Amino acid sequence: GAGVSQSPSNKVTEKGKDVELRCDPISGHTALYWYRQSLGQGLEFLIYFQGNSAPDKSGLPSDRFSAERTGGSVSTLTIQRTQQEDSAVYLCASSWGTRASTDTQYFGPGTRLTVL
Amino acid sequence: AQSVAQPEDQVNVAEGNPLTVKCTYSVSGNPYLFWYVQYPNRGLQFLLKYITGDNLVKGSYGFEAEFNKSQTSFHLKKPSALVSDSALYFCAVRDIGTGGFKTIFGAGTRLFVKA
Repeated sequence: GAGVSQSPSNKVTEKGKDVELRCDPISGHTALYWYRQSLGQGLEFLIYFQGNSAPDKSGLPSDRFSAERTGGSVSTLTIQRTQQEDSAVYLCASSWGTRASTDTQYFGPGTRLTVL
Repeated sequence: AQSVAQPEDQVNVAEGNPLTVKCTYSVSGNPYLFWYVQYPNRGLQFLLKYITGDNLVKGSYGFEAEFNKSQTSFHLKKPSALVSDSALYFCAVRDIGTGGFKTIFGAGTRLFVKA
């Protein structure tokens, strides 16, 4: 059984460019989460998807950030007009989604984004 | 609002000695608490969680955590540390107010186990 996968593992971009980060959740998991981990910091919640419900976007830091989840599976986090402060590791996680409060989240290896 | 605090940025312990990584929380309602570990250049791995029942929760790699409601703590423990336990540890609480999906993580505690 494959775990959560993310691509690319590393992304270096220039300030002002757009980037797309991809997450493939564990098969059958209906809940999917994005977090950001800045150097020396804890995890910052960005967004989550649960089934066909409207996503919780409350953690997105600005309107340059957006995410979608197609077909209830793969998710893409898009950052437009990247800034240097966007440099971080972006982690994706998924869970069964059957019981929100007690579900265990399984994390991918992350995408390390560096904005020059 | 739910919150979690890890008061120590770093914990140093000698191999073979017991280790404790501290975590305190603030929630409205029942606390659902988690511990994760992050090894270098890898994602977070689930260690254990407290939902209800026994206050002592046993998890992966010989770790356990003790839930203490009166002290609002959920400290991570291991009787005998290994050098391979050196990693970054995160305590987390589930934000029930948002339907339970949003997880609030502590800032992390870096554990160094010296041989």
